[in-house]
Amino acid sequence: DIVVTQSPDSLALSLGERATINCKSSQSLLYSANNKNYLGWYQQKPGQPPKLLIYWASTRESGVPDRFSGSGSGTDFSLTISSLQAEDVAVYYCQQYYGTPVTFGQGTKVEIK
Amino acid sequence: EVLLVESGGGLVQPGGSLRLSCAASGFTVSSTYMSWVRQAPGKGLEWVSVIYSDVTGGSRHYADSVKGRFTISRDNSKNTLYLQMNSLRAEDTAVYYCARAQGVGGTYYFDYWGQGTLVTVSS
Repeated sequence: DIVVTQSPDSLALSLGERATINCKSSQSLLYSANNKNYLGWYQQKPGQPPKLLIYWASTRESGVPDRFSGSGSGTDFSLTISSLQAEDVAVYYCQQYYGTPVTFGQGTKVEIK
Repeated sequence: EVLLVESGGGLVQPGGSLRLSCAASGFTVSSTYMSWVRQAPGKGLEWVSVIYSDVTGGSRHYADSVKGRFTISRDNSKNTLYLQMNSLRAEDTAVYYCARAQGVGGTYYFDYWGQGTLVTVSS
């Protein structure tokens, strides 16, 4: 199975600060035939189900604020929140879908300092 | 509007059975990949099972941790997804989410999730 590891496990930042969450895969998620990275990002607020934010490593899902962006390729990826808002408090998960079974990172908890 | 509503969770003894349902609206379950993902209390997300769309063959796949014990199915006439869970263990205790999956060949990501239903396995 492909292992995806997130870092850090948690971070606390002030409102308006930039938040960066990293996701590292045990093997490349880049499919050469279509030049796409098979990685998604999800946000899970307390007491709610996960919500898709990003797919293909950098494509923002419809309705997701543009302060959320995804980047990276191969084995190293990042989710960036450009200016942290109170409503962004949540746990964020990356998910690889290059191989089966699909697997998730362990999650990164984002809090306001 | 896409909506997924799970039901059927509850308290069950080890070795017991439970059937979860996921009623879908706003799309047709047979036309897309559908999946179950679970989350143990205070833990992360774990994929459980997927059923492919009819046009891609409708095949079913399971996590090793539930293979042989869980069965995914759907009723196209009711637009509903199911998860039959047998021989339940304490480690199956979790919130079970139904999720619509965007299929990409044999793999997928999840674009819509239900609110989840809690399954507790305990004596």
